[in-house]
Amino acid sequence: AQSVTQPDIHITVSEGASLELRCNYSYGATPYLFWYVQSPGQGLQLLLKYFSGDTLVQGIKGFEAEFKRSQSSFNLRKPSVHWSDAAEYFCAVGGGSQGNLIFGKGTKLSVKP
Amino acid sequence: DAGVTQSPTHLIKTRGQHVTLRCSPISGHKSVSWYQQVLGQGPQFIFQYYEKEERGRGNFPDRFSARQFPNYSSELNVNALLLGDSALYLCASSPNPGQTVFYGYTFGSGTRLTVV
Repeated sequence: AQSVTQPDIHITVSEGASLELRCNYSYGATPYLFWYVQSPGQGLQLLLKYFSGDTLVQGIKGFEAEFKRSQSSFNLRKPSVHWSDAAEYFCAVGGGSQGNLIFGKGTKLSVKP
Repeated sequence: DAGVTQSPTHLIKTRGQHVTLRCSPISGHKSVSWYQQVLGQGPQFIFQYYEKEERGRGNFPDRFSARQFPNYSSELNVNALLLGDSALYLCASSPNPGQTVFYGYTFGSGTRLTVV
């Protein structure tokens, strides 16, 4: 069965520091992978997506993610975190049996001044 | 253009009652999906509708139902509410189901349902 694991429930980083959020997936075929961000009380905003081609994908707000098939991973990175990046981040894989997205449980990011 | 709009934004209901949540997709999008997000969890798929037909259903009881209208807006209905139905209900639109896996969804801000 398809699944997504985000090992870190909560991460705190200092403003200006680099960030890496981990995501591991289980999927039988070529995965379609997504990262979404959710601010408190809000819906989800798409940060970036991967479905083929270059394994390093660029997204909005200075985020990037690298697809590593050998590790079944799709980690999200940002070189320098801003206080406004504090939010919850969800990794998702496309292609569920109903054509839906399957989400991980999310990683909450806190940013220290 | 307006994004995905959901109403109401917040709702408090009593156990055993019925609730209807509404969603209008982005103009030109014909597919609407519903997700339930319980506090501290990722969204879970409930339904997908396309061209007024149900195209997918997640692992939810029959108390949950939905429909899509000719203008592509959608309603999610939940009967006999339980405390465990308290969640953020998210509506997501895409041009069609086949494009969802490639491009993802555009989500609305959700309806926060509290069952007391």
